[in-house]
Amino acid sequence: EAQVTQNPRYLITVTGKKLTVTCSQNMNHEYMSWYRQDPGLGLRQIYYSMNVEVTDKGDVPEGYKVSRKEKRNFPLILESPSPNQTSLYFCASSSGTRGYEQYFGPGTRLTVT
Amino acid sequence: GENVEQHPSTLSVQEGDSAVIKCTYSDSASNYFPWYKQELGKRPQLIIDIRSNVGEKKDQRIAVTLNKTAKHFSLHITETQPEDSAVYFCAASRWDSNYQLIWGAGTKLIIKP
Repeated sequence: EAQVTQNPRYLITVTGKKLTVTCSQNMNHEYMSWYRQDPGLGLRQIYYSMNVEVTDKGDVPEGYKVSRKEKRNFPLILESPSPNQTSLYFCASSSGTRGYEQYFGPGTRLTVT
Repeated sequence: GENVEQHPSTLSVQEGDSAVIKCTYSDSASNYFPWYKQELGKRPQLIIDIRSNVGEKKDQRIAVTLNKTAKHFSLHITETQPEDSAVYFCAASRWDSNYQLIWGAGTKLIIKP
């Protein structure tokens, strides 16, 4: 089954404790992206990647890191989480060669206390 | 850069009536306009999209219209049903933008029984 997976789905952590949210897709998509969703603010892009070893900042990259060492994986790293990073996070992937539809993961609900 | 404005932020309609959500964009070079639906607690999913060489596209009860001159596009849902209740996001993109979608802020559609 074609899908985007994220782990964990829910995470409660404390300020300053490094964490990683994993994202994996099995559709051989070149493009992958991370969004955060906050009430009233829609979907805001954090980082995106056009292919392996190619990443770029989105609209709200501060406080986040990403890497793209393999085509299928695109982890989101919070080196020192803060309460303002409490949010719902979505990973998405797309293939430009077969259209621009973005396939979203199920989301990760992160709470930083 | 591109900016996408979406209105209204909340729309309440009687079951069976039609609903219309409008988006305007600023970049005249944008040529791909998708609409995503996000049900409560779920991930966004593409429901319909339109490219700039087409003025209208229909899929059963939903349709999207595009006015390139005025730089706006709209989602039309006819004969609304309870399962249409969700948040709807519009977006715009250019072929040369590395698959980047510029998102509207979302419209919460409420279907009243």
